[in-house]
Amino acid sequence: DVKVTQSSRYLVKRTGEKVFLECVQDMDHENMFWYRQDPGLGLRLIYFSYDVKMKEKGDIPEGYSVSREKKERFSLILESASTNQTSMYLCESGGGTEAFFGQGTRLTVV
Amino acid sequence: GENVEQHPSTLSVQEGDSAVIKCTYSDSASNYFPWYKQELGKRPQLIIDIRSNVGEKKDQRIAVTLNKTAKHFSLHITETQPEDSAVYFCAASKGNTGTASKLTFGTGTRLQVTL
Repeated sequence: DVKVTQSSRYLVKRTGEKVFLECVQDMDHENMFWYRQDPGLGLRLIYFSYDVKMKEKGDIPEGYSVSREKKERFSLILESASTNQTSMYLCESGGGTEAFFGQGTRLTVV
Repeated sequence: GENVEQHPSTLSVQEGDSAVIKCTYSDSASNYFPWYKQELGKRPQLIIDIRSNVGEKKDQRIAVTLNKTAKHFSLHITETQPEDSAVYFCAASKGNTGTASKLTFGTGTRLQVTL
């Protein structure tokens, strides 16, 4: 069974804090993705990675960065959290015909 | 880049009726079109997919059709049941390797099946 695990289900952070969201997969996938999901806007791609230490900007990278030091782990970093980054964050592993999602992290920035 | 549009944004049907959700895409190089169902509080789950060399695919009450010329694809759910209530997303992709593996999603359709 493919497992894509996000480190937290719910997070509450203060404005200006540095926030780390972790995603781990056990399928040896090369491709991993981070989205944010907001009502009426669907899933918007923030960043993705198709190899260790490789990263590419998605559609809405501003205010975010990522890290892929190991194949199984893809981290999303909010350098200085702001209230407009309150959202559901979804990690995807595999891409294309092999896409599997994590359970999501609901982040609230106060 | 690819752009996927999805309609309607909300859909309410009576139990037993059919539901149809439509998507259009812009990049003729896209060749894989999955549909995801997301129940409240849960992760998106793949329910059916279609590749560009096929025009239609069916799995029990769910079917997907693809018109490559018009660049649109549709999800059809027959004999709807209350457990079909969820948000449905269409997506498009160009392949499985590198940047081609990127899925571009529609904005979602909230389907409500009423008794």
